[in-house]
Amino acid sequence: DADVTQTPRNRITKTGKRIMLECSQTKGHDRMYWYRQDPGLGLRLIYYSFDVKDINKGEISDGYSVSRQAQAKFSLSLESAIPNQTALYFCATSDQEASYNEQFFGPGTRLTVL
Amino acid sequence: GNSVTQMEGPVTLSEEAFLTINCTYTATGYPSLFWYVQYPGEGLQLLLKATKADDKGSNKGFEATYRKETTSFHLEKGSVQVSDSAVYFCALTRGGSARQLTFGSGTQLTVLP
Repeated sequence: DADVTQTPRNRITKTGKRIMLECSQTKGHDRMYWYRQDPGLGLRLIYYSFDVKDINKGEISDGYSVSRQAQAKFSLSLESAIPNQTALYFCATSDQEASYNEQFFGPGTRLTVL
Repeated sequence: GNSVTQMEGPVTLSEEAFLTINCTYTATGYPSLFWYVQYPGEGLQLLLKATKADDKGSNKGFEATYRKETTSFHLEKGSVQVSDSAVYFCALTRGGSARQLTFGSGTQLTVLP
């Protein structure tokens, strides 16, 4: 079984709808991240969380919110989706005990906003 | 702030050709440097890393050397295979509590048989 899972894997929605993307991990890591990937732009950090009570904005948090329901679960919400939020979204985890920040990625959620 | 610049793709090579993907960075202090690989339909996975100047990271025949004097971390492989076709991302992180990764834009590699 995969260590980092994301649901759904694909989603098509309409402008103005509320969408939630979910991430679960079995690695026991305390740190979790949400990124979006756009062609030619690499990955950009949306939000990150270092533990259940710690949530931080990343580079491009506007239009997004997150919830860390438990150490193993980190959800990303789009309160009112817009077409320029069409992208590939990745969840990642890392271990604070690691001497460097290796991150482990889920398989991604492809979101299309019409 | 931190930034990573990668050579633009796509890169298309024949099997057994030599590969170089250039990566340069801007960061204060002494970042750790990484190459991640994304195979079709999958998430990113760590390919190799280097945590201090002059370190050489290596894995699966790929190598990259942390060059502080040129702020570079170029990825090389002597003989590519069709199975190496993927998108390659250079990334860095600084130490401290944040340890956020900053990614380059990615380079698409296609290896033809």
